[in-house]
Amino acid sequence: QQQVKQSPQSLIVQKGGISIINCAYENTAFDYFPWYQQFPGKGPALLIAIRPDVSEKKEGRFTISFNKSAKQFSLHIMDSQPGDSATYFCAARYHSGAGSYQLTFGKGTKLSVIP
Amino acid sequence: GAVVSQHPSWVICKSGTSVKIECRSLDFQATTMFWYRQFPKQSLMLMATSNEGSKATYEQGVEKDKFLINHASLTLSTLTVTSAHPEDSSFYICSAPPGAYYNEQFFGPGTRLTVL
Repeated sequence: QQQVKQSPQSLIVQKGGISIINCAYENTAFDYFPWYQQFPGKGPALLIAIRPDVSEKKEGRFTISFNKSAKQFSLHIMDSQPGDSATYFCAARYHSGAGSYQLTFGKGTKLSVIP
Repeated sequence: GAVVSQHPSWVICKSGTSVKIECRSLDFQATTMFWYRQFPKQSLMLMATSNEGSKATYEQGVEKDKFLINHASLTLSTLTVTSAHPEDSSFYICSAPPGAYYNEQFFGPGTRLTVL
């Protein structure tokens, strides 16, 4: 119920191309969907996030598309650059019942952008 | 954005010793902090929720006597790995939301623990 399924596990994209990472969930109680970027040996950094009442959110080269009826959301990275090479995690927020919100993470996608 | 720091960034210890990891919110107060563990090439797994002024809430399967959490103040939470063993070697990451009505969690840079 608290799972978020992420695909693909790894992705290789040519510089300038579009990177697309997909996530799916079952729990309709999730109320916030952030994406995190993580470089090796570093903590995750918030990239972009969306609420389920919004179908799309764009920030620079990063866009989240959200399909509430299908319970799916995706991250699009336009004009991918070698510096975007990192591991990307989708996440979903839920109320833990113990008085706080918690995040559940997808398994991650390792993106490699080749020149 | 809000800044969360961790100390140390890496630590190597002998099996059987205890290790303390600090998590600090630098520019905001956090009544709640979260501790995650991440094994190589895997996702983040929530270990426990640290609550200022009360006991931590541990996720199923996490030994509370082994992973001691103390939320000493509104800006500091500590994770102590007691009697560490090689299987405890991992990347430990804390996070904190910047307020009661928050959306985001801000993550620390992580602590790499290696137990020999």
